[in-house]
Amino acid sequence: DIQLTQSPSSLSVSVGDRVTITCRASQSIGSYLNWYQQKPGKAPRLLIYSTSSLLSGVPSRFSGGGSGTDFTLTISSLQPEDFATYYCQQSYSGLPFGQGTKLEIK
Amino acid sequence: EVQLVQSGAEVKKPGESLKISCKGSGYRFTSYWVAWVRQMPGKGLEWMGIIYPGDSDTRYSPSFQGQVTISADKSINTAYLQWSTLKASDSAIYYCARQLASTSFGVWYYYGMDVWGQGTTVTVSS
Repeated sequence: DIQLTQSPSSLSVSVGDRVTITCRASQSIGSYLNWYQQKPGKAPRLLIYSTSSLLSGVPSRFSGGGSGTDFTLTISSLQPEDFATYYCQQSYSGLPFGQGTKLEIK
Repeated sequence: EVQLVQSGAEVKKPGESLKISCKGSGYRFTSYWVAWVRQMPGKGLEWMGIIYPGDSDTRYSPSFQGQVTISADKSINTAYLQWSTLKASDSAIYYCARQLASTSFGVWYYYGMDVWGQGTTVTVSS
């Protein structure tokens, strides 16, 4: 099984900060990496698929990068509505998720 | 509007059976895979399996193979997740989601889950 490891598990940040979350796969997954946002009590929301493709309607401050085993989600200037938990997911072999990264207010 | 609407919350006893549903609308239901995802209280997302309602092709996560059954009735645009014998550890929120995918020469390539149901809370307690 291909494992995904996100880092950090949590992050204390402020509005306006540039935030980068990392997701590492235990073996190469090409560009089959997706990112989701989940707010408390809500269903997850797809932000980015295939490493860097922004879903329609997702703000351009979100971006994704990487390939092979190392991937990033970057929020260029954090907004109040971005405080949430973020999950990566690989879709190369099965569809497992990473363990999540919680963004907290500093 | 593309949406997935799930059945309501369930409270069951250990050993009972259960089938929850996910109804799609606003798109061609038979042309998209539907995924099921578990979220235990305070925990992360776990992929359970996917089904292609067009031909009922089903793939399970190894962690859930044999533990649940995923099915679909394309005549009513509905996917299902069922248990034959519930355990307390099955208590969780269960989400269905539309799985983006493409196929080439009979091989499926999967992308993200772009539309999600509202979730069904299942509580198993004696």
